[in-house]
Amino acid sequence: GAVVSQHPSRVICKSGTSVKIECRSLDFQATTMFWYRQFPKQSLMLMATSNEGSKATYEQGVEKDKFLINHASLTLSTLTVTSAHPEDSSFYICSASNRAAEAFFGQGTRLTVV
Amino acid sequence: KQEVTQIPAALSVPEGENLVLNCSFTDSAIYNLQWFRQDPGKGLTSLLLIQSSQREQTSGRLNASLDKSSGRSTLYIAASQPGDSATYLCAVRKGGGADGLTFGKGTHLIIQP
Repeated sequence: GAVVSQHPSRVICKSGTSVKIECRSLDFQATTMFWYRQFPKQSLMLMATSNEGSKATYEQGVEKDKFLINHASLTLSTLTVTSAHPEDSSFYICSASNRAAEAFFGQGTRLTVV
Repeated sequence: KQEVTQIPAALSVPEGENLVLNCSFTDSAIYNLQWFRQDPGKGLTSLLLIQSSQREQTSGRLNASLDKSSGRSTLYIAASQPGDSATYLCAVRKGGGADGLTFGKGTHLIIQP
């Protein structure tokens, strides 16, 4: 299967700071990538769709000014959590799909805001 | 709004048993359905992808079926092994590759040695 790499896998930051998470498709080009959030013992919830060369599309209830998404190339999307607070602590995971619309996921990022 | 339900939420069986995980979705207008495995604190590993026109897919000891009209899918695991212990997630995609996935809450599976 295709490979999606996400970095960092874990990050601890102070309240009020910003954190950037990178998502790369290593062996295929992805015009569209997706960002999900997972709370403990809950399922994944789609946050936003990252479109190469254009603005991201956010799901209802997701603050676009808090979760900045940039998709500057066909292999890289970034999610920046701005002015992070403890309630932003969660597991964030990205996904990209191949031409068969099969989704492949990164390793995820555990964000802890202290 | 699409809703995906997985039953059971948790399952513990002895090694060697065959087992079935169930997934149902409320809107049958899907593009495809995908089964994933998630180990604790890790990302998702794709197990099987079923396109909306397909009835089933097989990979090794895994077999997934899809009944789109009734909004159901099952994941069959044959001859279970302790290494199969994980959370299994079912997800559906509405449109093509530009649409995200809607996930169920998963089935937490434990295979007892």
